[in-house]
Amino acid sequence: GENVEQHPSTLSVQEGDSAVIKCTYSDSASNYFPWYKQELGKRPQLIIDIRSNVGEKKDQRIAVTLNKTAKHFSLHITETQPEDSAVYFCAASRYAGGGSNYKLTFGKGTLLTVNP
Amino acid sequence: DGGITQSPKYLFRKEGQNVTLSCEQNLNHDAMYWYRQDPGQGLRLIYYSQIVNDFQKGDIAEGYSVSREKKESFPLTVTSAQKNPTAFYLCASSIDPSQPRSFGDEQFFGPGTRLTVL
Repeated sequence: GENVEQHPSTLSVQEGDSAVIKCTYSDSASNYFPWYKQELGKRPQLIIDIRSNVGEKKDQRIAVTLNKTAKHFSLHITETQPEDSAVYFCAASRYAGGGSNYKLTFGKGTLLTVNP
Repeated sequence: DGGITQSPKYLFRKEGQNVTLSCEQNLNHDAMYWYRQDPGQGLRLIYYSQIVNDFQKGDIAEGYSVSREKKESFPLTVTSAQKNPTAFYLCASSIDPSQPRSFGDEQFFGPGTRLTVL
């Protein structure tokens, strides 16, 4: 099955700096890669996702890049703010079509702390 | 924060007891999922269901059971066979990802249930 590795497990940055979180996956057939943010005591929420037919996607201060050849994808947060402090999870899945089983495999998470 | 709800928020269980965690959604989603979250372990899939009356084991199904009698509901039972049940349990739902129009879709999470074994 799919295996997703996420690094680093903790990341501390100063407000205004950039933060980068990296994930690798094992199943070359995986084609959907979402990122979730989970604030302390709250539910995970999708912040951005990318599909295997594109290499990069941006949404304001957040961007995700995908390298299919190397089987890794990264989350980039620019101009970090204290409210960006949370646990971030990457995930991967393979859409196989036509009623086949579908599930997300998550990385173990990165605790991002943005210091004022 | 409507759409998908879980109850109770906190649950305490004595060893040897079965407990059932509730998950309900009014998003008309076909697929529903149960995850277990432990510190440093991320989210691990317990069971998932893509359609009523059908469900599949995830990566850590031992000691758990589910049912999917209604589209809106996907209860999880933590049985006495689960040796280390203390954890945070998250339910999620999504539209049917197997349909041709779908190419991976967002999973919406409930607020979670924190289960503690006494």
